[in-house]
Amino acid sequence: DAGITQSPRHKVTETGTPVTLRCHQTENHRYMYWYRQDPGHGLRLIHYSYGVKDTDKGEVSDGYSVSRSKTEDFLLTLESATSSQTSVYFCAISDDRRTDTQYFGPGTRLTVL
Amino acid sequence: TQLLEQSPQFLSIQEGENLTVYCNSSSVFSSLQWYRQEPGEGPVLLVTVVTGGEVKKLKRLTFQFGDARKDSSLHITAAQPGDTGLYLCAGAPPWSGGSNYKLTFGKGTLLTVNP
Repeated sequence: DAGITQSPRHKVTETGTPVTLRCHQTENHRYMYWYRQDPGHGLRLIHYSYGVKDTDKGEVSDGYSVSRSKTEDFLLTLESATSSQTSVYFCAISDDRRTDTQYFGPGTRLTVL
Repeated sequence: TQLLEQSPQFLSIQEGENLTVYCNSSSVFSSLQWYRQEPGEGPVLLVTVVTGGEVKKLKRLTFQFGDARKDSSLHITAAQPGDTGLYLCAGAPPWSGGSNYKLTFGKGTLLTVNP
C-alpha cells in the first residue's frame, strides 16, 4: 500500500471557521490531488499539484485553497467553511505519467454545522 | 469533457453468483483503472489496463479494456461477501507525451453480496 496519511480523520466545525486538512506521503510521488466525495456526485477533483509550489484548480475549487511547500505534504484549506463543504475528502498521489494511476489516502470526514 | 458512465448503479446478489459491471464512454482513454472502496475507507486500486482488448485477471475478478479503449468491464466469478463495496472506474486522457494530471471517474457501482 502506498504510504499516504490524512489528518484529521474526522472533524466537526462551525460555519465560517477556517479548516485545514493535511495529506502526507512517504512515496516521494510528484503529483498530489484533493478530491471530495458526495452521494450522487462521485469523486470530484478540487485541486491538484504537479510539483512543489505548483498547483492548479480542479472542477470544484471555489471556496478551497491549497499549498505544497515540500514534496511530502499537500494542504487543503477551507478559508471560511460552509455547510455545502460537508463531505468526505480524499487525497491521492501519482507518479506514473503514462497511466496516471492514483493511490488514495484513507479520507477525512468533515462536517460543517 | 470526458465522461464515464458506470452500470448498474446498484447490484445486490447472492453469494456464489457471477456478475459483470460496465464502464462506458464516448471518449478514448489511454488507460483505465478500477478501484474498490469499502465504507469509511479510500478507494483501493485493483488494476490498470492500457492496451485495447487487454484482459487482466485478479483471482476471481476479470477486467477487460475495450478494443477502441472507450469502455471496460469487470466480471466477478462466484461472488463472495468480501467482494461487497463500491467499484469505481477511472480513465486517463490520451497521453500526448506531457503530463495528463487528471483522471475522469465514474460514479461507481455499489455491489452487495449477501451470504
